[in-house]
Amino acid sequence: EAQVTQNPRYLITVTGKKLTVTCSQNMNHEYMSWYRQDPGLGLRQIYYSMNVEVTDKGDVPEGYKVSRKEKRNFPLILESPSPNQTSLYFCASREAYSDTQYFGPGTRLTVL
Amino acid sequence: GEDVEQSLFLSVREGDSSVINCTYTDSSSTYLYWYKQEPGAGLQLLTYIFSNMDMKQDQRLTVLLNKKDKHLSLRIADTQTGDSAIYFCAEDSGNTGKLIFGQGTTLQVKP
Repeated sequence: EAQVTQNPRYLITVTGKKLTVTCSQNMNHEYMSWYRQDPGLGLRQIYYSMNVEVTDKGDVPEGYKVSRKEKRNFPLILESPSPNQTSLYFCASREAYSDTQYFGPGTRLTVL
Repeated sequence: GEDVEQSLFLSVREGDSSVINCTYTDSSSTYLYWYKQEPGAGLQLLTYIFSNMDMKQDQRLTVLLNKKDKHLSLRIADTQTGDSAIYFCAEDSGNTGKLIFGQGTTLQVKP
């Protein structure tokens, strides 16, 4: 089954404790993105990647890092999480030049 | 800059039509999308329209695009309680895979 998976789905952590949210897609898509969703703000792009070893900042990259060492994986790293990073995070992927973006199920992160 | 705007809330009675509106600013978008998010769930692509089309119909869903006014709407005919969700309008932005989302419209369907 074609899908985007994220882990963990739920995470409660404390300020400053490094964490990684994994994202994996099995569709051999070139493009992958991370978004965060906050009430009243919709979804905002954090980082995106157009292929292996090619990443770039989205609209709200501060406090986040990403890597794209393999085509299927695009982890989101929070080196020193802060409470303002409490949010719902979505990973997405799509083929280059395609009109359809596939979203993962979301990761709800709470930073205390 | 790029911006997508939606009203935040819409309430309708079961069986009525719902119309959710969206305005956008980037006239170079190729596709415009409607996503549905049910409570506690991820995003489901409902439908999309190519920017050179005026209308697209898919069962109970009708998308209207007024490119001159940069206005997009989603009409749901015979709205059901299962249609209660948040609906996001989004436009694509260049070839980076980036989508610009509106704030989301919460649709409440009353029995």
